[in-house]
Amino acid sequence: EIVLTQSPGTLSLSPGERATLSCRASQSVSSNYLAWYQQKPGQAPRLLIYGASNRATGIPDRFSGSGSGTDFTLTISRLEPEDFAVYYCQQYGGSPYTFGQGAKLEIK
Amino acid sequence: QVQLVESGGGVVQPGRSLRLSCAASGFSFSGYAMHWVRQAPGKGLEWVAVISSDGSNEYYTDSVKGRFTISRDNSKNTLYLQMDSLRPEDTAMFYCARGSPSTASYFQYWGQGTLITVSS
Repeated sequence: EIVLTQSPGTLSLSPGERATLSCRASQSVSSNYLAWYQQKPGQAPRLLIYGASNRATGIPDRFSGSGSGTDFTLTISRLEPEDFAVYYCQQYGGSPYTFGQGAKLEIK
Repeated sequence: QVQLVESGGGVVQPGRSLRLSCAASGFSFSGYAMHWVRQAPGKGLEWVAVISSDGSNEYYTDSVKGRFTISRDNSKNTLYLQMDSLRPEDTAMFYCARGSPSTASYFQYWGQGTLITVSS
């Protein structure tokens, strides 16, 4: 089983700032099959990024993903008020399709 | 538009069974693998199970193997999760999610979830 470790666990920033979230895998993720999701309280997760760097339909271009192998990053270039939420990475290169523990992005 | 609507949640005693359903619409259901993902209260996301588009392949996370069974009825555009021998640690919001034609996929579409509480 691939274990995904997200850091930091909580990130406190202000609107307009840049956010960088990390996701490290315990072994290489096959074909860079790594996705990122955003979840707000009381809502289902929303897909942001798939294939490590491809934005999902309708996702603003301030969201970008990068990385390969075992190290992946989600960057939000300029934070908007609606971006404060919990973010999860997920690998789908092999079963079980594990998630990271989540990273909370909170308003400073 | 793609819609996934879960049902069947509720309160159940430990050791009992429950069956969840997920009604799909807005896409060709038989062309996609389907997944269940759960989230314990205040916790993170946990992938539970996947079934291939034609129902011929199933995969599970270790903690539910032998207790949960994923299935689908492509004629009814419906996904199921039969949960037996339920434990308190199974208490969670259960989401169905659409994968890709392959079982190895990200989840672009999610239902709103159905809450399972396992308690005596």
